[in-house]
Amino acid sequence: DGGITQSPKYLFRKEGQNVTLSCEQNLNHDAMYWYRQDPGQGLRLIYYSQIVNDFQKGDIAEGYSVSREKKESFPLTVTSAQKNPTAFYLCASSQSGGETNYGYTFGSGTRLTVV
Amino acid sequence: GESVGLHLPTLSVQEGDNSIINCAYSNSASDYFIWYKQESGKGPQFIIDIRSNMDKRQGQRVTVLLNKTVKHLSLQIAATQPGDSAVYFCAEIPNYGQNFVFGPGTRLSVLP
Repeated sequence: DGGITQSPKYLFRKEGQNVTLSCEQNLNHDAMYWYRQDPGQGLRLIYYSQIVNDFQKGDIAEGYSVSREKKESFPLTVTSAQKNPTAFYLCASSQSGGETNYGYTFGSGTRLTVV
Repeated sequence: GESVGLHLPTLSVQEGDNSIINCAYSNSASDYFIWYKQESGKGPQFIIDIRSNMDKRQGQRVTVLLNKTVKHLSLQIAATQPGDSAVYFCAEIPNYGQNFVFGPGTRLSVLP
C-alpha cells in the first residue's frame, strides 16, 4: 500500500544534541513538507520541498535543517540551535504541478521530547 | 496517547446526533479547502475537500459547506459515532501554488 512513514514514533533528545527525524513516502509525490504541532496551535510549516535537491524555509525554520536527495525521502534534523524542540512533528507529501491544488497526505508523526 | 490541542474549542455531542464544526478562513482569494481529522497520537487524515467554485460537497456521512461571502467553512457529520471523536481542523490554500494554512482545530467529543 502507498503511504508516508515517519520514524521513530517517539524520540528523546538531550540538551545540545542534534537529532534526525525520518520521513519516507512511496506515493510518487513531488512535494514534501515538515510541520510542527504544539498544543492549542495550528500546524506550523518548518520546511518544504517541491522537487528533489531543492527546499525552502517555512515559517519557523530556525534551528532546523533538511535535505532532499531522493524523491522518496525528506529527513528533518532538529539542531541544538532549536531552543524549544519538544513538539509533535508531522511530515506530509502531495502531488504538484498543473493548475490544480492537491491535498496533503500526512505521516503518523514523531513525538520529540527534550530530556 | 499524544494529546493534541490541550486548549482547543470543544464541541460535545450525543452519539447519534449531528455535529457541525465551523471554521473561519482568512483569505477571500483562497481557492481550495480541506477538512482533516486527527485522532490522539496520529497524523491528520483527509476527510473531505471543496474548491472555491462550489458551495457544498457531500461525502459519506459528512458535508462541507463553503460561504465565500463571510469566509466561513463548516463540516457537518451526520449521526455522530464514538469513532468520530477527534480534533478536526480546516486548511485553506490562500493562492494557487502556495502552501496550506491550517486552523487550530476543534475537539469533537462524542458522549454515549
